[in-house]
Amino acid sequence: AQKITQTQPGMFVQEKEAVTLDCTYDTSDQSYGLFWYKQPSSGEMIFLIYQGSYDEQNATEGRYSLNFQKARKSANLVISASQLGDSAMYFCAMRELYSGGGADGLTFGKGTHLIIQP
Amino acid sequence: GAVVSQHPSWVICKSGTSVKIECRSLDFQATTMFWYRQFPKQSLMLMATSNEGSKATYEQGVEKDKFLINHASLTLSTLTVTSAHPEDSSFYICSALIRNTEAFFGQGTRLTVV
Repeated sequence: AQKITQTQPGMFVQEKEAVTLDCTYDTSDQSYGLFWYKQPSSGEMIFLIYQGSYDEQNATEGRYSLNFQKARKSANLVISASQLGDSAMYFCAMRELYSGGGADGLTFGKGTHLIIQP
Repeated sequence: GAVVSQHPSWVICKSGTSVKIECRSLDFQATTMFWYRQFPKQSLMLMATSNEGSKATYEQGVEKDKFLINHASLTLSTLTVTSAHPEDSSFYICSALIRNTEAFFGQGTRLTVV
């Protein structure tokens, strides 16, 4: 069974500072994908970044980067130069990837409520 | 980017009635869609996997007769909450899988059963 752990229920960060949101995972699968999503108060789930278990380089998407440490089963999200609009819930998630091309649904962590202060 | 449209965004219904929620992929074909439920201040929990042209696969503890899923085309999956009760009040959200790496979500549906 897969499990995602996000140990930070809430974080206050000063605007323009960098933020690291922690995520550790547990799986016996060799092939899996790791995701980060942002959920503002409206409820929509906004895809931020993806890291495959076989990707050798850390994923980056604009101000978002994923610090992937496979041996430690860690997939922390780093947001550089935080903005007021970054305030939201952030969820780490994973899924097993099948060689045949199919996939299971996502397993989510409990989330981190990030609040950016001016 | 890919767009998944979910409708309605919110609905209030009387206890005992049924509610249908639609999830459409607007600019791509989705052979697999997922349905999640999120209670207030909690994480998303997978309810079922919807595969086009075949029966949905339900997670343990999810009643398939209560949460009917139909994936009749490559662009539409529907979730029907039958005989809804107040404990079914929740945020329901769908997602569509693309290329095994990306999952784009609909806007979600906030269901309130009174």
